[in-house]
Amino acid sequence: DVKVTQSSRYLVKRTGEKVFLECVQDMDHENMFWYRQDPGLGLRLIYFSYDVKMKEKGDIPEGYSVSREKKERFSLILESASTNQTSMYLCASSPIPGRGSGEQFFGPGTRLTVL
Amino acid sequence: AQTVTQSQPEMSVQEAETVTLSCTYDTSESDYYLFWYKQPPSRQMILVIRQEAYKQQNATENRFSVNFQKAAKSFSLKISDSQLGDAAMYFCAYRSANGANSKLTFGKGITLSVRP
Repeated sequence: DVKVTQSSRYLVKRTGEKVFLECVQDMDHENMFWYRQDPGLGLRLIYFSYDVKMKEKGDIPEGYSVSREKKERFSLILESASTNQTSMYLCASSPIPGRGSGEQFFGPGTRLTVL
Repeated sequence: AQTVTQSQPEMSVQEAETVTLSCTYDTSESDYYLFWYKQPPSRQMILVIRQEAYKQQNATENRFSVNFQKAAKSFSLKISDSQLGDAAMYFCAYRSANGANSKLTFGKGITLSVRP
């Protein structure tokens, strides 16, 4: 079974703190994604990575950065957390197109609250 | 850019009955994939069913089936014999078959409740 894990299920941080959300997958997938999920807005893509050290901005990258030093690990960084970044953060991974339908496999999510 | 629309934010179904969740999408491409994902309360998002656009036959997975209307750009999910465990948020998603990555475009989701 594909497994995508996230470092925390729940996280509470203060405004201005630097926050790291970690994601690890064990299926040797090339592509990894970070989304935020908010009520009424669905899933919005923050950043994705299609290879080690490669990254591309998604639809809402402002206020976030990412790091992918190893294939299995994709980190989301909030340089200076703000209250409007309170949300559910979902990580996903998938093989490259051509190896299946490109289905994404999701982690359990991290519910981040910024006070 | 592709868009995915789920116009109904909530639906309810009686246990053992059938329910259909609607999804429409907009694209200028001819080759793509469509997905329905399920997110149970406080649990992980999982894939329910996928459809390749080049296939005319509608996908089926046990009690879940789709009605794929390519010309109308419609992709609805039918759940037969609804069970309490089907209560969840359901997301429709689109992926282009072109390009070097598997980026998905999601709809806003629909919350399905199942009445016992």
